[in-house]
Amino acid sequence: GENVEQHPSTLSVQEGDSAVIKCTYSDSASNYFPWYKQELGKGPQLIIDIRSNVGEKKDQRIAVTLNKTAKHFSLHITETQPEDSAVYFCAASIPRANAGKSTFGDGTTLTVKP
Amino acid sequence: GAVVSQHPSWVICKSGTSVKIECRSLDFQATTMFWYRQFPKQSLMLMATSNEGSKATYEQGVEKDKFLINHASLTLSTLTVTSAHPEDSSFYICSAPDREYTGELFFGEGSRLTVL
Repeated sequence: GENVEQHPSTLSVQEGDSAVIKCTYSDSASNYFPWYKQELGKGPQLIIDIRSNVGEKKDQRIAVTLNKTAKHFSLHITETQPEDSAVYFCAASIPRANAGKSTFGDGTTLTVKP
Repeated sequence: GAVVSQHPSWVICKSGTSVKIECRSLDFQATTMFWYRQFPKQSLMLMATSNEGSKATYEQGVEKDKFLINHASLTLSTLTVTSAHPEDSSFYICSAPDREYTGELFFGEGSRLTVL
């Protein structure tokens, strides 16, 4: 089955700096790569996603890049703000093959210091 | 986006009792829902896939008789922790895929279970 590895497990940055979280996946058939943000005591929420036919996607301060050959994808947050502090999970899936079932990374705890 | 509501958000119960957690899709129909367990500072551990009108599919190592899942309608799935013990204390989260199965998952708010 799919295996997703995520690094780093913790990341601390100064407000205004950039943050990068990286994930690798094992199943070359995976074609959907979302990133979820989970605040303390809440369920995860999708912040950005990318599909295998695209190499990069950006939404304001957040961007995701995908390298299919190397089987890795990354989340980039620029101009970080204290409210970006949360746990971030990457995931990989083959949506229509598994009814949406996803494999998650272990998560990265991001702390943005004011 | 679609909304998934989970209830209760937190529950405290005595050891040996059963607890039911509900997961509802509020503005869409979900033939499939996923149930996860999350320990502090850890990832989401998939427990089972809930299928409307049929039996749930459990992940390896998850006790079917301990964690009963029922998906009686297209908008409601329930997880019942039977004969709960302190080691069952955890954060339980449900999710539902979008109707088109494009990949996005809509998560509930989570339920914090504490067994005394």
